[in-house]
Amino acid sequence: AQSVTQLGSHVSVSEGALVLLRCNYSSSVPPYLFWYVQYPNQGLQLLLKYTSAATLVKGINGFEAEFKKSETSFHLTKPSAHMSDAAEYFCAVSGDTGRRALTFGSGTRLQVQP
Amino acid sequence: GAVVSQHPSRVICKSGTSVKIECRSLDFQATTMFWYRQFPKQSLMLMATSNEGSKATYEQGVEKDKFLINHASLTLSTLTVTSAHPEDSSFYICSAREGALTGYTFGSGTRLTVV
Repeated sequence: AQSVTQLGSHVSVSEGALVLLRCNYSSSVPPYLFWYVQYPNQGLQLLLKYTSAATLVKGINGFEAEFKKSETSFHLTKPSAHMSDAAEYFCAVSGDTGRRALTFGSGTRLQVQP
Repeated sequence: GAVVSQHPSRVICKSGTSVKIECRSLDFQATTMFWYRQFPKQSLMLMATSNEGSKATYEQGVEKDKFLINHASLTLSTLTVTSAHPEDSSFYICSAREGALTGYTFGSGTRLTVV
């Protein structure tokens, strides 16, 4: 069984400030972990993924995430927020080395204030 | 990169009618397709998993006779919502995967409104 918990349904930051979106996972097997972004009425765009290689994963648009097994966490960060980063962000896990469907967290809506 | 085309993007139908949603993998062979449903301001919930040429595997609580999934080719999967009712109104998203260790590519979603 696998699950994902995203702490904070809404996060608001100022433009230029650090973005930190939290994700904790539970998985009975070594997980594959993903972060996706969703803009209104659109599908999901992959930001980055962890597949048991380097624990610090760099993604698109300046985002990165660090896999911490001891904390069962995969938090998403970006040093400086941009207005265009405002969107819904989903953390997801796939067990069995990526062979199964993704299980999504509840999502975090990021607001960026000017 | 891998692209999944999903159509239609929006559809409004009358209660009792059926609606078909298509997902096509444009530049790869999708051995596995996943269908998700997303209610407003909520997360994605897996409805079913389909492998090309096989019957779909539905998640618990999903009516297989209402949500018909066909994955007859390696590039096309369809979801048909039969006898749609207002409570079926939702955002439906497909996801395709080429192989066991490749990434997941998502379609752009279909907003279904049943009136």
